[in-house]
Amino acid sequence: EAQVTQNPRYLITVTGKKLTVTCSQNMNHEYMSWYRQDPGLGLRQIYYSMNVEVTDKGDVPEGYKVSRKEKRNFPLILESPSPNQTSLYFCASSLGRAPGQPQHFGDGTRLSIL
Amino acid sequence: DQQVKQNSPSLSVQEGRISILNCDYTNSMFDYFLWYKKYPAEGPTFLISISSIKDKNEDGRFTVFLNKSAKHLSLHIVPSQPGDSAVYFCAASRERMKTSYDKVIFGPGTSLSVIP
Repeated sequence: EAQVTQNPRYLITVTGKKLTVTCSQNMNHEYMSWYRQDPGLGLRQIYYSMNVEVTDKGDVPEGYKVSRKEKRNFPLILESPSPNQTSLYFCASSLGRAPGQPQHFGDGTRLSIL
Repeated sequence: DQQVKQNSPSLSVQEGRISILNCDYTNSMFDYFLWYKKYPAEGPTFLISISSIKDKNEDGRFTVFLNKSAKHLSLHIVPSQPGDSAVYFCAASRERMKTSYDKVIFGPGTSLSVIP
């Protein structure tokens, strides 16, 4: 089954404790992206990657890091999480880099940072 | 400053009637517009898209209209069904190079309730 898998689905942690949210897709997609969803703000793009070793900032990259060492994986790293990073996070991928390609989303990771 | 706006946070429609969800954007450089539907506890799923060179795209019960001069697009669902109850996100992207596109900007979403 074609899917984007995020782990963990839920996480409660404390300020400053490094964490990684993994994202994996099994569709051989080139483009991958991370979003956060907050009430009233919709989905805001954090980082995206157009291919292996190619990443770029989205609208809200501060406090986050990403890497794309393999085509299928695109982990999101919070080196020193803070309470304002409490949010619902989505990973997404799309087949190619052509404009307008629809993205496939994972089911989300709810992070609570105390 | 939001580049993609959905000014109605929620909308209620009777089953069988038309649902019209609106989206406005500020950046005239956007080339593609997409609509996604999201159910609770799931990720968004792609619904329909439109290129800026078109003014209408239709897929079954779903039609998207684009008015470039007004920087406005709308999603029409006819007839509306209870299973359409979800949050709908409008998204826009800009072609950066011929074979790739820039970051994607989402609107805040509109929650649609279709009443049986």
